Amino acid sequence: DAKTTQPTSMDCAEGRAANLPCNHSTISGNEYVYWYRQIHSQGPQYIIHGLKNNETNEMASLIITEDRKSSTLILPHATLRDTAVYYCIVTEYGNKLVFGAGTILRVKS
Amino acid sequence: DAGVIQSPRHEVTEMGQEVTLRCKPISGHNSLFWYRQTMMRGLELLIYFNNNVPIDDSGMPEDRFSAKMPNASFSTLKIQPSEPRDSAVYFCASRAGYLGSNSPLHFGNGTRLTVT
Repeated sequence: DAKTTQPTSMDCAEGRAANLPCNHSTISGNEYVYWYRQIHSQGPQYIIHGLKNNETNEMASLIITEDRKSSTLILPHATLRDTAVYYCIVTEYGNKLVFGAGTILRVKS
Repeated sequence: DAGVIQSPRHEVTEMGQEVTLRCKPISGHNSLFWYRQTMMRGLELLIYFNNNVPIDDSGMPEDRFSAKMPNASFSTLKIQPSEPRDSAVYFCASRAGYLGSNSPLHFGNGTRLTVT
């Protein structure tokens, strides 16, 4: 699976969009980009995933660059409850997710 | 949908004792995963099952760890004998779909194990 690079931490003002970047320059053609998050004392929670096209669901949007070497997770209107560790994972098969250190997102009022 | 259910939520035991962690996957999901999380090593995949059959146990740390899935609605992770370095949060996750699909994992809220 391709390696991912994420910033260690980010801050975001409540109500503003949170844009979390992820670099995956060695991604192969069959590998998907997944995003999960983990709120303190809870299990990881699936957010969104995509292959080539941008994706949107009720939680977030995923923007993947045309060369697929990087992506951005967008939380359109961050709330305090979005404070969590966000994991970007690249894998061909969804059955072997390897979690890195992720990005600590702190949403502040 | 009750989600993935793990029990107990907290377990404190003494070194050398046997520990059994339990997981009930989401109904209809045919893959089940056990992960362990520590501050030092983060989230690690220990083992996963598909249709109750263990597919990959390469992440199981040593012979003291064993996992079973006797039916589609129940799995156990056993540590015998337990050691202080086994202290961690253990997560169970499940998902639907065939082995190579990309359907997402759904995690339980974990069992926090403390071995003294």
